[in-house]
Amino acid sequence: NAGVTQTPKFQVLKTGQSMTLQCAQDMNHNSMYWYRQDPGMGLRLIYYSASEGTTDKGEVPNGYNVSRLNKREFSLRLESAAPSQTSVYFCASTALEGTSGANVLTFGAGSRLTVL
Amino acid sequence: AQKVTQAQTEISVVEKEDVTLDCVYETRDTTYYLFWYKQPPSGELVFLIRRNSFDEQNEISGRYSWNFQKSTSSFNFTITASQVVDSAVYFCALRTFTDSWGKFQFGAGTQVVVTP
Repeated sequence: NAGVTQTPKFQVLKTGQSMTLQCAQDMNHNSMYWYRQDPGMGLRLIYYSASEGTTDKGEVPNGYNVSRLNKREFSLRLESAAPSQTSVYFCASTALEGTSGANVLTFGAGSRLTVL
Repeated sequence: AQKVTQAQTEISVVEKEDVTLDCVYETRDTTYYLFWYKQPPSGELVFLIRRNSFDEQNEISGRYSWNFQKSTSSFNFTITASQVVDSAVYFCALRTFTDSWGKFQFGAGTQVVVTP
């Protein structure tokens, strides 16, 4: 099983450019998440989707938008990239409560984004 | 609001020493889950353990052990006889279901450096 797949793994952008980080999971999980990781700050939640058709803001949503395209896919878009968005981004998913895989986050490999 | 505090930023030990990582959490919920994840230098996030709020039994898995104490809101992690392969960042996390449904809140992480 591939688990959670994120693309791209690396990206360099100029300030003001836009881009979309793609995430797909093949575990039939209901909930999906986008986190960013910055040195000394742990993982901070950007947006999450409790189930297909719903999305909600996390701690640091400003400057980002998300789309839960279907049950498998959850994309993160930077409309106008800023240097403060330089970070490592992780997508994650978890299964519905009461099912196998519930209450454990499975992460993708991460996407390293640099904004110049 | 929920909060996870990992007060130790970095711990350096010599191989074969024991190391204990502290995790203190805050929540008003009576039902919650606690986790530890490992992030080795390669960058992926690896699930280590999940504990629910009704199970205060300590757990041992090989050289790893976990001490969950609701009275002090702590979920500490001990590596016995550390090895160089234990060098990583370790994250403690909390999941609650009331005021922040389904979100996983992470601590800032503790960097463990094991030298030969």
